[in-house]
Amino acid sequence: NAGVTQTPKFRILKIGQSMTLQCTQDMNHNYMYWYRQDPGMGLKLIYYSVGAGITDKGEVPNGYNVSRSTTEDFPLRLELAAPSQTSVYFCASSYSEGTQYFGPGTRLTVL
Amino acid sequence: KNEVEQSPQNLTAQEGEFITINCSYSVGISALHWLQQHPGGGIVSLFMLSSGKKKHGRLIATINIQEKHSSLHITASHPRDSAVYICAVSGETSGSRLTFGEGTQLTVNP
Repeated sequence: NAGVTQTPKFRILKIGQSMTLQCTQDMNHNYMYWYRQDPGMGLKLIYYSVGAGITDKGEVPNGYNVSRSTTEDFPLRLELAAPSQTSVYFCASSYSEGTQYFGPGTRLTVL
Repeated sequence: KNEVEQSPQNLTAQEGEFITINCSYSVGISALHWLQQHPGGGIVSLFMLSSGKKKHGRLIATINIQEKHSSLHITASHPRDSAVYICAVSGETSGSRLTFGEGTQLTVNP
């Protein structure tokens, strides 16, 4: 099992550009999450999903959108990238409220 | 004040030392998680606990629900234990959503 995979690993965007961060899990987990980690700060929840077709906002959802059309995939869309979105993004999954398994992260820089 | 506070922020130890990292939280919780973030950035879940104590190898996690406090202990520390250790809680009403501490940077010197 690959676990949770994320692409790309690194990306540089210009202000105003858009992109999608991909996240896939092969553990048949129903819950999936997107977090961002800023230097010296704790992880913060952006969006989460408790199953295909269901998504909900976390602590810092502004500037992001998600969709969950399948159990496996949970892409995160950035529209009109801003420097404040420079961060490391982690996707995670869990079976209901159990242990969360994290992907390797995507390092995003917006210039 | 953050809902989850960790101490110390940074910790340097010599190989073989017994290490304790502390986590205090201010909300009612359904579970507390300890995570390890490797120098390369990957995050691994170490423990999820809601009462008592759990042990895995040289790692021990304890929680005192009444005092809203948890500790992570590492016995016989080794340089490969060098990492950031993160405490996170899921609130009583927040389901699986986690609130994270800022992490403790541990460096173990040979």
